[in-house]
Amino acid sequence: ILNVEQSPQSLHVQEGDSTNFTCSFPSSNFYALHWYRWETAKSPEALFVMTLNGDEKKKGRISATLNTKEGYSYLYIKGSQPEDSATYLCAFNFGNEKLTFGTGTRLTIIP
Amino acid sequence: DTAVSQTPKYLVTQMGNDKSIKCEQNLGHDTMYWYKQDSKKFLKIMFSYNNKELIINETVPNRFSPKSPDKAHLNLHINSLELGDSAVYFCASSQNPRTGYYTFGSGTRLTVV
Repeated sequence: ILNVEQSPQSLHVQEGDSTNFTCSFPSSNFYALHWYRWETAKSPEALFVMTLNGDEKKKGRISATLNTKEGYSYLYIKGSQPEDSATYLCAFNFGNEKLTFGTGTRLTIIP
Repeated sequence: DTAVSQTPKYLVTQMGNDKSIKCEQNLGHDTMYWYKQDSKKFLKIMFSYNNKELIINETVPNRFSPKSPDKAHLNLHINSLELGDSAVYFCASSQNPRTGYYTFGSGTRLTVV
């Protein structure tokens, strides 16, 4: 069974602070790692897709890194804002035609 | 202008009924999916179609039957609804199922009573 694990499950961060969370996945058969942002009552929105070991991607205050050899990816948010409150999902593709999603990290920014 | 649209948004129905959820995408993507969000908020793949052909059927009960009349549409028909079918169902599409961004619909909240 190929599982994607995310930690922590939930996180409360003071506005203005920076934070990060982890996605772990099986390092064998790696093909691609996706990050999605999912706001309450909306649908998941794509942030990044990464395929190469050492990949780093950035979008505004959000960035992600990838280590395929040890099987993890970090998502970083710099200077958290209230609008960053959401569930952050990572999803793993191991060479077949689907994404396997993690259970997400629920981030709440405290004003 | 909605990229992936699902209807209806809410569906309340009695046990034993048959219902359908429709999905359409205007992105020109080749691959479409149905995901189920379970009670733990976990997104689980149900089906995947590539250009009208079924490529993934993830051990879903055969009461669930997807239909893709063309590559822009993927509908989900559910027979003999059970209480345990209550969930939010998301349709999605992508150009490449491995490395392409998935675009999700807004979800259909199905409640079986």
